[in-house]
Amino acid sequence: GAVVSQHPSWVICKSGTSVKIECRSLDFQATTMFWYRQFPKQSLMLMATSNEGSKATYEQGVEKDKFLINHASLTLSTLTVTSAHPEDSSFYICSAFLAGEPSYGYTFGSGTRLTIV
Amino acid sequence: GQSLEQPSEVTAVEGAIVQINCTYQTSGFYGLSWYQQHDGGAPTFLSYNALDGLEETGRFSSFLSRSDSYGYLLLQELQMKDSASYFCAVARGATNKLIFGTGTLLAVQP
Repeated sequence: GAVVSQHPSWVICKSGTSVKIECRSLDFQATTMFWYRQFPKQSLMLMATSNEGSKATYEQGVEKDKFLINHASLTLSTLTVTSAHPEDSSFYICSAFLAGEPSYGYTFGSGTRLTIV
Repeated sequence: GQSLEQPSEVTAVEGAIVQINCTYQTSGFYGLSWYQQHDGGAPTFLSYNALDGLEETGRFSSFLSRSDSYGYLLLQELQMKDSASYFCAVARGATNKLIFGTGTLLAVQP
């Protein structure tokens, strides 16, 4: 089945720095990628939809200038958390939709545990 | 608006049967799916209902009633490894973005 590779799996950064998370689709082209954030003991909250070659679509309440999304190619989408602060510490995970995939079409990356100190 | 509500926690013993409910309010409904997530991991697809009725996949079954805006996941012959969070989800919009329910933490006890 389709595989989405997400890196890094975990990262610890100092407050004020920017952090980039990458998601690559392996062996398929992902024109659309979804980015989620999950705080401990909570659900996965959709942050934005990343579209290849165009601007991302952000969900209500998500700061566009804070969470920069780039989808420059059909196999790579990146999420950059700019000027990160401790409240941005969370589990970030990407997902691609591929029609016809056995898992109802959604393939998830392995997630990135971001800790800001 | 849209919402998918689930009980926050459920506890059961090994070998038992447990049902996790999901009530939803959403427009443009195409079906209800279920995911399992172990702590620190990615969601794993379990089941999908496009039509009313019961779908069975091994120890897991899922039910949907569109007239009641309600579905449930049934886990049989519980095992310790089933301890995890379970989410219902719906796909929305032209991009098929997946929206997750509030989630249910299942604790299986010996």
